[in-house]
Amino acid sequence: DAGVTQSPTHLIKTRGQHVTLRCSPISGHKSVSWYQQVLGQGPQFIFQYYEKEERGRGNFPDRFSARQFPNYSSELNVNALLLGDSALYLCASSFDGYNEQFFGPGTRLTVL
Amino acid sequence: GDSVTQMEGPVTLSEEAFLTINCTYTATGYPSLFWYVQYPGEGLQLLLKATKADDKGSNKGFEATYRKETTSFHLEKGSVQVSDSAVYFCALSEGGYSTLTFGKGTMLLVSP
Repeated sequence: DAGVTQSPTHLIKTRGQHVTLRCSPISGHKSVSWYQQVLGQGPQFIFQYYEKEERGRGNFPDRFSARQFPNYSSELNVNALLLGDSALYLCASSFDGYNEQFFGPGTRLTVL
Repeated sequence: GDSVTQMEGPVTLSEEAFLTINCTYTATGYPSLFWYVQYPGEGLQLLLKATKADDKGSNKGFEATYRKETTSFHLEKGSVQVSDSAVYFCALSEGGYSTLTFGKGTMLLVSP
């Protein structure tokens, strides 16, 4: 079975631009979470979605938004990019949001 | 709020040496505790977990015991291999949902 997939693998943007990152969960999983991992730090929680509803939100500005689609895939959107948004963005899926999370390989975002 | 503190890295060991990576946590309730491993260029993989006090998680020769009295979850392995070289993250989740709070990570380098 395929694991969690994320696209694109790498992305380079300039300050002020907008970016959309995509995630497909493991088949049968209904919950997706997003994390930001800045170089040299542990991942930080951004959002959790379950059945297309936002279930939790971390301490991130409103420039960050996300949504989940009927097929349970998800998008993370970041507006007005800042240099500090450069990071590895990780997606994790779980069956219902209560059980073990399985992580994807991440999207490496570089903001110049 | 919840937090996780890990020992600073890198930890450098020779093959077959004993490994300890310290982890302590702060939480308001009774969290579940996890160790994740991140190999270069990859996402996070769950290594082991423990859900209540005195539980011992184990996998691939690694072990960690949930110590409520010392709020600790130290990772140990009796004999490390070169292939164990990676970054190790201690994490907790609390409140029912599987949202994770991570430590900063500890890099392990094992030489032949």
